[in-house]
Amino acid sequence: EVQLLVSGGGLVQPGGSLRLSCAASGFTFSSYAMSWVRQAPGKGLEWVSAIRAGGDFAHSTDSVEGRFTISRDNSKNTLYLQMNSLRAEDTAVYYCAKDTGDFTGNYFDYWGQGILVTVSS
Amino acid sequence: EIVMTQSPATLSVSPGERVTLSCRASQSVRSSLAWYQQKPGQAPRLVIYGASTRATGTPARFSGSGSGTEFTLTISSLQSEDFAVYYCQQYSDWPKTFGQGTKVEIK
Repeated sequence: EVQLLVSGGGLVQPGGSLRLSCAASGFTFSSYAMSWVRQAPGKGLEWVSAIRAGGDFAHSTDSVEGRFTISRDNSKNTLYLQMNSLRAEDTAVYYCAKDTGDFTGNYFDYWGQGILVTVSS
Repeated sequence: EIVMTQSPATLSVSPGERVTLSCRASQSVRSSLAWYQQKPGQAPRLVIYGASTRATGTPARFSGSGSGTEFTLTISSLQSEDFAVYYCQQYSDWPKTFGQGTKVEIK
C-alpha cells in the first residue's frame, strides 16, 4: 500500500523558514518523480514543485522560484521542501504527491495527507 | 501558462441524477487531462487520467471524455459518496495547472 506521510508544518513568521518532509513507502521511491501541491484555505489546488526520480532536476512554479527548494533522499525514501522567505500568501495545506512516471507528462496517483503551513506574525 | 477553466462552480443535484462537469483549457493539452475528487478535510483522489481512463478503484459510473481543449466528467447516477469538489488538471506542459474546481452538493 502506498503511503505518503507529511510532516514539518506549523506557524512561522513572515520572512521565516520551514522544511517539510514526506516519508514514502509501498512503492519504489527512487523510480518516480515527486511533487508538492498546495491549497490555500478555501481555495483550489496549485502545483508548487516537482523533482525527477534521480533528484538531478527540479522545477518550480514562478511564485516560489528562488525561495523554495525541493529535494529528495532516495536512500531514506523521503521528499523535502525547504521554504525560505515565507510570505502570508504561502499559507496553505501542502500535499506531497507521487507522479506516475519520471517527471514529464505525469499526473498524480497518490497524495499524502497534507499539512498546514501558516505564515503570520 | 495553460489556464484551466471549470464550469459550473457549483452543481446542486439529487442522488441518482446524472451529472456533467466541464473543463476547458486555454490551449490544447491533447489527452493529458486528469480529474481529482476532494472531500472536506481530505487529500485529492485521482478519478480519471488520460481524459477518459478510470483510475484504479473508480466506479464505472464515472466517465471522462474530450481532447484538445474541451473535457467533461460525467457521473451517470450520483451516489451519496460522490458529493465532493472535482478538479481537472492538465499535465501536458509546465506548470501543471488545475481548474478552480466544481463543487457537487446535495440539492
